[in-house]
Amino acid sequence: SYVLTQPPSVSVAPGQTARIPCGGNNIGRENVHWYQQKPGQAPVLVVFDDNARPSGIPERFSGSNSGNTATLTISRVEAGDEADYYCQVWDSASDHSVFGTGTKVTVL
Amino acid sequence: QGQLAESGGGLVKPGGSLRLSCAASGFTFSDYYMSWIRQAPGKGLEWVSYISTSGSTTYYGESVKGRFTISRDNARNSLYLQMNSLRAEDTAVYFCARDLRGFRESDRWGQGTLVTVSS
Repeated sequence: SYVLTQPPSVSVAPGQTARIPCGGNNIGRENVHWYQQKPGQAPVLVVFDDNARPSGIPERFSGSNSGNTATLTISRVEAGDEADYYCQVWDSASDHSVFGTGTKVTVL
Repeated sequence: QGQLAESGGGLVKPGGSLRLSCAASGFTFSDYYMSWIRQAPGKGLEWVSYISTSGSTTYYGESVKGRFTISRDNARNSLYLQMNSLRAEDTAVYFCARDLRGFRESDRWGQGTLVTVSS
């Protein structure tokens, strides 16, 4: 089955840039979506189709996808960005949706 | 914008059954594909099941295939998950989520309902 690997944690100072990788075999061929989840809350979609933002999501959130790695980038990080982040794809080979292992972003 | 609200969670013994419901409001439910996704305590997200807009096509994760059944009632704006032969490892918060384009992103999620499988 398709596996998406993320680092368990990323730390970043306020105002700096956080980059969260999501590794998968030829993930560049897939549409990758990203979710933010704060403690005790439901996930919120922050990026879809590699680099598109839903309405209401700040421009500070962006994405890229190429080769074997997709990346969520959070620019000018704020304290409120502290959360868990998950990548997700639909694997058409298995007809399964797959979530990444998740990355906890800590704002120093 | 739309809202989703799960219900039906609770404590059940191993081997038991439970039926979860997800009530949709504020949007045209029948236009959306729907998913169940779960999250075990302190763990990541795990996709459970997916259903087409009409309900004619369903998909399941390997860990629940043969035990769980997803269904929907578009007239009642409701999504369901029938869970049988429950195991301790099924303990999780269960979220329902909607997907407009099919096999793509889930743009709105419910708040989840907790299922605990324990003797």
